[in-house]
Amino acid sequence: GAVVSQHPSWVICKSGTSVKIECRSLDFQATTMFWYRQFPKQSLMLMATSNEGSKATYEQGVEKDKFLINHASLTLSTLTVTSAHPEDSSFYICSALWGVGNTEAFFGQGTRLTVV
Amino acid sequence: RKEVEQDPGPFNVPEGATVAFNCTYSNSASQSFFWYRQDCRKEPKLLMSVYSSGNEDGRFTAQLNRASQYISLLIRDSKLSDSATYLCVVNFNAGKSTFGDGTTLTVKP
Repeated sequence: GAVVSQHPSWVICKSGTSVKIECRSLDFQATTMFWYRQFPKQSLMLMATSNEGSKATYEQGVEKDKFLINHASLTLSTLTVTSAHPEDSSFYICSALWGVGNTEAFFGQGTRLTVV
Repeated sequence: RKEVEQDPGPFNVPEGATVAFNCTYSNSASQSFFWYRQDCRKEPKLLMSVYSSGNEDGRFTAQLNRASQYISLLIRDSKLSDSATYLCVVNFNAGKSTFGDGTTLTVKP
């Protein structure tokens, strides 16, 4: 299967600072990647679709100015949480599609963000 | 109504038991279906795809009923290592994955 690498795996930051999370497809090209957020004891919720070379598509209720997404190459998408607050503390995870018909999603290892 | 619904459990079963999870989805135009496994504080990992013809992988059997918009996962001869949260995942379009809330399974000695 395909490999998606996400970095960092965990980060602690102060309120008001910005945090960048990277998602890389290691052995395949991904024109589309997805960013999810998972709060404790809840399911993964799609935040946005990252499209290589164009603007990301955000789901309803997700602030695009707070969660900046850049997909500058076919193997890298970044999510920047700007002016982080404690309520942004969560598990952020990316995925990319692979396989015949691009229907199989492979996930990065996830980033556990704690804002203090 | 949620787009993908699962029985949250938890399911607590002894080793060797057979356990079945169910999932329903609301969008009849859904294209592909999967079961993922998620261990505590880890990323989801694909367990198996789900097809209308049904598919089996060792102790795991998945089934899709498009008419009823229903997906199932059967685990036979449960092992301690099967303890995890099982996520039903449905792709509606362009690869966007919609997740169920997950079903928690604990297999006890």
